[in-house]
Amino acid sequence: DTEVTQTPKHLVMGMTNKKSLKCEQHMGHRAMYWYKQKAKKPPELMFVYSYEKLSINESVPSRFSPECPNSSLLNLHLHALQPEDSALYLCASSPEGYSYEQYFGPGTRLTVT
Amino acid sequence: RKEVEQDPGPFNVPEGATVAFNCTYSNSASQSFFWYRQDCRKEPKLLMSVYSSGNEDGRFTAQLNRASQYISLLIRDSKLSDSATYLCVVILDTGRRALTFGSGTRLQVQP
Repeated sequence: DTEVTQTPKHLVMGMTNKKSLKCEQHMGHRAMYWYKQKAKKPPELMFVYSYEKLSINESVPSRFSPECPNSSLLNLHLHALQPEDSALYLCASSPEGYSYEQYFGPGTRLTVT
Repeated sequence: RKEVEQDPGPFNVPEGATVAFNCTYSNSASQSFFWYRQDCRKEPKLLMSVYSSGNEDGRFTAQLNRASQYISLLIRDSKLSDSATYLCVVILDTGRRALTFGSGTRLQVQP
């Protein structure tokens, strides 16, 4: 089973709100990722967690705050976002070791008003 | 120069046609290569990994040319359901494990 789940599917938030995106996988994968995808563009990497530790932050603004409470869960906390942050936020996971294949969740479509 | 380059298309082909996509990458030290498929407003789905010896999965064949730094995807006997955007994906630095995506090639299979 290569399933990654994400909640919520859709989120509308104002610029002063605080919200969180959630991602879960039960494949025993030890690497998890957040990507951002704007319309008609490819996904762009935001963060990588490896064995529950943040290993890559692609110079993402501090209004995005990732958290990995355990090996199955990944959160993205949002605060004081801008309208240009509206996008599809994708979570992915991959096994450690020699396989680098990543499996994506369905994404959260975020609109900032 | 972009790190991973693809022809954006669109490729409009009739059902049953054979279509090929190419992709070039900038880092000669790259070790991992993939093709993903993405339907409109959906997540990318792994189509196949690309191995040095080339690999085939049903109607799909992927090849890697390290000397020229390009990857190809061949789709035979196109189906309407093959209509999607095909993303060439490379791990440019295996130490980082981060996927770098091409901009995608849009395929529209017509009846």
